[in-house]
Amino acid sequence: DVKVTQSSRYLVKRTGEKVFLECVQDMDHENMFWYRQDPGLGLRLIYFSYDVKMKEKGDIPEGYSVSREKKERFSLILESASTNQTSMYLCASSPQGRALAKNIQYFGAGTRLSVL
Amino acid sequence: AQKVTQAQTEISVVEKEDVTLDCVYETRDTTYYLFWYKQPPSGELVFLIRRNSFDEQNEISGRYSWNFQKSTSSFNFTITASQVVDSAVYFCALLGNTGGFKTIFGAGTRLFVKA
Repeated sequence: DVKVTQSSRYLVKRTGEKVFLECVQDMDHENMFWYRQDPGLGLRLIYFSYDVKMKEKGDIPEGYSVSREKKERFSLILESASTNQTSMYLCASSPQGRALAKNIQYFGAGTRLSVL
Repeated sequence: AQKVTQAQTEISVVEKEDVTLDCVYETRDTTYYLFWYKQPPSGELVFLIRRNSFDEQNEISGRYSWNFQKSTSSFNFTITASQVVDSAVYFCALLGNTGGFKTIFGAGTRLFVKA
């Protein structure tokens, strides 16, 4: 079974802190994604990566950065957390980098981040 | 622009009722895929089904069935004889061949199934 593991289920941080959200997948998938989920807005893509050290902006990248130094790990960084970044963050991975048909995404359980 | 609309925010049914979750999409791509995912209270989205734009056959899997109609740009999901374990948020999603790897998700429909 594919497993996508997010390092924390719940996180509470203060405004201005630098926050790291970690995600690890164990199935050698090329693609990895970070989404945030807010009520009424569904999932919105923050960043994705289709290979090590490669990244592309999603729909809402402002205030975030990412790092992918190893194929299995994709980190989301909030450089200076703000209250409007309080949300559920979901990591996902998918196989077969450029084959559209293969892009079924496998999700982690999510990290609920509260910024106070 | 690509878009997925799930007009039903929340649906509440009593166990054993049938329920249909609506999904309407917009895309100019000729090749695209439609998905349904389930998010139970545990939080992890789980893949349910994928359908490509060239295959309009309906699909049935146990109590679940999907109706894909290109003419109305809809990909609706029906649960027959609903059970309490079906309570979850359900997302419809679209991946087109000009969108790179960006899957577009709808806002989700929260389904409550009461015993």
